[in-house]
Amino acid sequence: GEDVEQSLFLSVREGDSSVINCTYTDSSSTYLYWYKQEPGAGLQLLTYIFSNMDMKQDQRLTVLLNKKDKHLSLRIADTQTGDSAIYFCAEKNRGSTLGRLYFGRGTQLTVWP
Amino acid sequence: GAGVSQTPSNKVTEKGKYVELRCDPISGHTALYWYRQSLGQGPEFLIYFQGTGAADDSGLPNDRFFAVRPEGSVSTLKIQRTERGDSAVYLCASSAEVGWGSHSEQFFGPGTRLTVL
Repeated sequence: GEDVEQSLFLSVREGDSSVINCTYTDSSSTYLYWYKQEPGAGLQLLTYIFSNMDMKQDQRLTVLLNKKDKHLSLRIADTQTGDSAIYFCAEKNRGSTLGRLYFGRGTQLTVWP
Repeated sequence: GAGVSQTPSNKVTEKGKYVELRCDPISGHTALYWYRQSLGQGPEFLIYFQGTGAADDSGLPNDRFFAVRPEGSVSTLKIQRTERGDSAVYLCASSAEVGWGSHSEQFFGPGTRLTVL
């Protein structure tokens, strides 16, 4: 959606860290998500963060949330070629609508060997 | 089944025709969502069911689009008088929710790629 913004492309070398950034506009968002989409496959939930948290770590993934600036980032440590995919930022619980997710356009991550 | 399934995986139709897309959610999931993903875009919400009823259909683009979930499980998205601009991947998701402010993962199916010639 137009209210969730992401850069479109990111290229990194295998073994480096990747940082994918996202900005959103709705201050009433309660949950923010990162999804991964590989060619020909459905969307896979990678991780999520509740809006009253600043950081969440899950193995190689670190999510940082700056609620004041409405900025969300996903850091992938030790990026592997298998991490090449499109990564979507999404937010939930805007206004009074239950359940629906608002997605960004996605960031295409390319990992070079 | 183990996950959300969608049929057909691909559908090619001619402008003006009627199509139906089917979604089988994960057994026991009460919430079901339809999204549409155009090329180079993120998924865009269409409609959300809680049980048999449409809790939010505000994302349906016009009255050519309609969806049903008569028994609270399988859902069908129906598109009348298809147009070339309807070409996209139609994604279905289900979840075990839902309450205000709660998190429940939406599990996505592989999608149906619709091409309108």
